[in-house]
Amino acid sequence: QSVLTQPPSASGTPGQRVTISCSGSSSNIGNDYVFWYQQFSGTAPKLLISKNDQRPSGVPDRFSGSKSGTSASLAISGLRSGDEADYYCAAWDDSLGRVVFGGGTKVTVL
Amino acid sequence: EVQLVQSGAEVRKPGESLRISCKASGYSFASYWINWVRQMPGKGLEWMGRIDPTDSHTNYSPSFQGHVTISADESISTAYLQWSSLKASDTAIYYCAREPTTSGPLDWFDPWGQGTLVTVSS
Repeated sequence: QSVLTQPPSASGTPGQRVTISCSGSSSNIGNDYVFWYQQFSGTAPKLLISKNDQRPSGVPDRFSGSKSGTSASLAISGLRSGDEADYYCAAWDDSLGRVVFGGGTKVTVL
Repeated sequence: EVQLVQSGAEVRKPGESLRISCKASGYSFASYWINWVRQMPGKGLEWMGRIDPTDSHTNYSPSFQGHVTISADESISTAYLQWSSLKASDTAIYYCAREPTTSGPLDWFDPWGQGTLVTVSS
């Protein structure tokens, strides 16, 4: 059971908008930044969104992040087949004294 | 180009020791934390701990404290993850990742190493 809760899967057709939620608490998301990572099958994770809503250089603007209270969201607009991957949220948890990850959401393009 | 290159796959028996490495290049090694993250087969990401290469100060996840040791050799820009007695449940892919040393508790992880597969089996 992950400290940050994500839906195990999400899907959409090409061109659609998909949103992935990440639910936490006042000791993690409610207290600090949220980061999002993208992991294609068999490869290392890659930074997708930094500090709630900042896109690193090279990340398409189809990807956007937001945070409100103790929850965060990752949105993928204009969905493409190349977006099929696992997506993880991450934050620091003050009570646990460690980095916590969500369980990951597998995005499928139908 | 900023890169983290990890050592190759390892196979060990339960009870054996192991050290895997993560060599950094393309940036000032001392200016960033190195984190270690575990991914068990078919599972999600778990943070194990991190090290500040400047002074070898470490933070460990309570879940991994006492079972692994994180170290670094600034002279060769390399961080290490070490076990003194492996268990079958240590079978996983282990990733290293760079993190800026900021005033907050957590910053971005980028880049990540390619991962090291550790298999522990009798």
